[in-house]
Amino acid sequence: DVKVTQSSRYLVKRTGEKVFLECVQDMDHENMFWYRQDPGLGLRLIYFSYDVKMKEKGDIPEGYSVSREKKERFSLILESASTNQTSMYLCASRGRLDTQYFGPGTRLTVL
Amino acid sequence: RKEVEQDPGPFNVPEGATVAFNCTYSNSASQSFFWYRQDCRKEPKLLMSVYSSGNEDGRFTAQLNRASQYISLLIRDSKLSDSATYLCVVNGQAGGGADGLTFGKGTHLIIQP
Repeated sequence: DVKVTQSSRYLVKRTGEKVFLECVQDMDHENMFWYRQDPGLGLRLIYFSYDVKMKEKGDIPEGYSVSREKKERFSLILESASTNQTSMYLCASRGRLDTQYFGPGTRLTVL
Repeated sequence: RKEVEQDPGPFNVPEGATVAFNCTYSNSASQSFFWYRQDCRKEPKLLMSVYSSGNEDGRFTAQLNRASQYISLLIRDSKLSDSATYLCVVNGQAGGGADGLTFGKGTHLIIQP
């Protein structure tokens, strides 16, 4: 069974803080993704990575950066959190035949 | 411009009924199609892939209509546990999601006792 884990289920941060969201997968997948999900807007792709040290911008990369130093780990960084980054953040890794495996999500609140 | 479009619902359906919903996509070159299920406050999980010939998994049937550019999901003998949001996912969208995989916003299904 594929497992994707995320470091926190719930997180509360203050405006201007640096925020790290960690994601780990155990299936040796090359492709990993970060999405945010907001009511009425659906899932939106922030960044993705095809391999270690490689990253590609998604549809809404502004205000975010990522790091992939090891194949199993993909981190999302909010350099200076803002209230409009309050959201559910979902990490995913992609297996065979384009199947996406999602982590449980991190519900981030920025005050 | 909507690349993958779904009726958001909610669809309120009595237990035991059959329910069907569609998802339309804009790019005829799209290659692969999926239905995901997302329970409230949980992550999406793959329900089934959609093959050209259509496919069935128990009470669930998925179909692809390339000519009209839509996929459908049919649920027979619906159960209370089928209540969820169903996401349509399409790959191969030009101008869609940056990596080619585009998610619909989901159809909310409520099965009522």
